[in-house]
Amino acid sequence: DIQMTQSPSSLSASVGDRVTITCQASQDISNFLNWYQQKPGKAPKLLIYDASNLETGVPSRFSGSGSGTDFTFTISSLQPEDAATYYCQQYDKLPTWTFGQGTKVEVK
Amino acid sequence: EVSLVESGGGLVQPGGSLRLSCSASGFTFSNYWMHWVRQAPGKGLVWVSRINSDGSTTSYADSVKGRFTISRDNTKNTVHLQMNSLRAEDTAVYYCGRGGYWIDDWGQGTLVTVSS
Repeated sequence: DIQMTQSPSSLSASVGDRVTITCQASQDISNFLNWYQQKPGKAPKLLIYDASNLETGVPSRFSGSGSGTDFTFTISSLQPEDAATYYCQQYDKLPTWTFGQGTKVEVK
Repeated sequence: EVSLVESGGGLVQPGGSLRLSCSASGFTFSNYWMHWVRQAPGKGLVWVSRINSDGSTTSYADSVKGRFTISRDNTKNTVHLQMNSLRAEDTAVYYCGRGGYWIDDWGQGTLVTVSS
């Protein structure tokens, strides 16, 4: 099974800061990686698909990059409403999916 | 507007059964794969199961294989998750989601608690 390792598990940053989260796959998954945001008590929301494609309606301060085993999710200028947990998800090895363990982002 | 509404959650004893439903509207249901994803209290997301658009292909996480069955009724725009032989570790919020290689719309979730 493919394992997805996200880091850090949590972070705290100020409004306007650049925030970066990494997701490492245990084997090559090409660009078959997605990113979700989940706010407390809410369902997840798709932000990025296929590693770098911004979902319609998602602010451009969110971006993703990477391929193979190493991926990066970036918030270019952190906003108060970005406080949430972020998850990566791979779909290379179908039919099963794997989510990363999540990164909790706190806004100071 | 896309809407996914889960129902059927509740308290069940270990070894018991529960059937979750997800009612869809606002899109052509029969064109989309559907998923179930769960989240134990305070924990991360775990993919559970997927069904293709016409119901002919299903997949399951190893942790539920042989105990859970996903199905769909395209005439009623509904997807189901039949959960048997439930264990304490199945306690979670269960979300249904629409999508193929990613989930672009999610329901609000339904809580399943397995406890005696």
